[in-house]
Amino acid sequence: RKEVEQDPGPFNVPEGATVAFNCTYSNSASQSFFWYRQDCRKEPKLLMSVYSSGNEDGRFTAQLNRASQYISLLIRDSKLSDSATYLCVVNRAHFGNEKLTFGTGTRLTIIP
Amino acid sequence: DAGVIQSPRHEVTEMGQEVTLRCKPISGHDYLFWYRQTMMRGLELLIYFNNNVPIDDSGMPEDRFSAKMPNASFSTLKIQPSEPRDSAVYFCASSGLGSYNEQFFGPGTRLTVL
Repeated sequence: RKEVEQDPGPFNVPEGATVAFNCTYSNSASQSFFWYRQDCRKEPKLLMSVYSSGNEDGRFTAQLNRASQYISLLIRDSKLSDSATYLCVVNRAHFGNEKLTFGTGTRLTIIP
Repeated sequence: DAGVIQSPRHEVTEMGQEVTLRCKPISGHDYLFWYRQTMMRGLELLIYFNNNVPIDDSGMPEDRFSAKMPNASFSTLKIQPSEPRDSAVYFCASSGLGSYNEQFFGPGTRLTVL
């Protein structure tokens, strides 16, 4: 079983719609969690951290369920510029964020 | 400020040849990471350094791979001899002021081994 599992998609969503991605992780000792965004043929960039209480950044909402080892990302009012691959990331290190494990990503395409 | 710089951006080589990938981290960052990305396996951590010292190389696939960081502004990842299965995009990333901070990735080196 992979340490971090994501639905690879692709998700093809009309502009303005709401889309949700899910991710599960296998290591219950994982300490911190993130969503990264990767545009085609570009490097990954941090989108947002994921906190136990859930957190929101504009149109993006991330949630964590430690009991179920499940992470989610919700994008509201999707824009064409949201088209990208979204990577679920789990940190295995006890101190610091240096041992990141990346999911293989969910590809999102926003359709005009 | 310049971000993480990697060279070359593209490399095509023949099986058996030595390949050297280069990385210049963001100035002042004390952590440097090497990752490999393939369609099948996604993004995998190969090795990381703290203050130029290798901390964890458990992700390095085999002895053909080696990495060095001779100073705070330069690191290399070497593959010798290269094999077709090494074809991937290799990313370097750095983070600063302790490892709790965000990792910033370079643009990557796309390696093709024929």
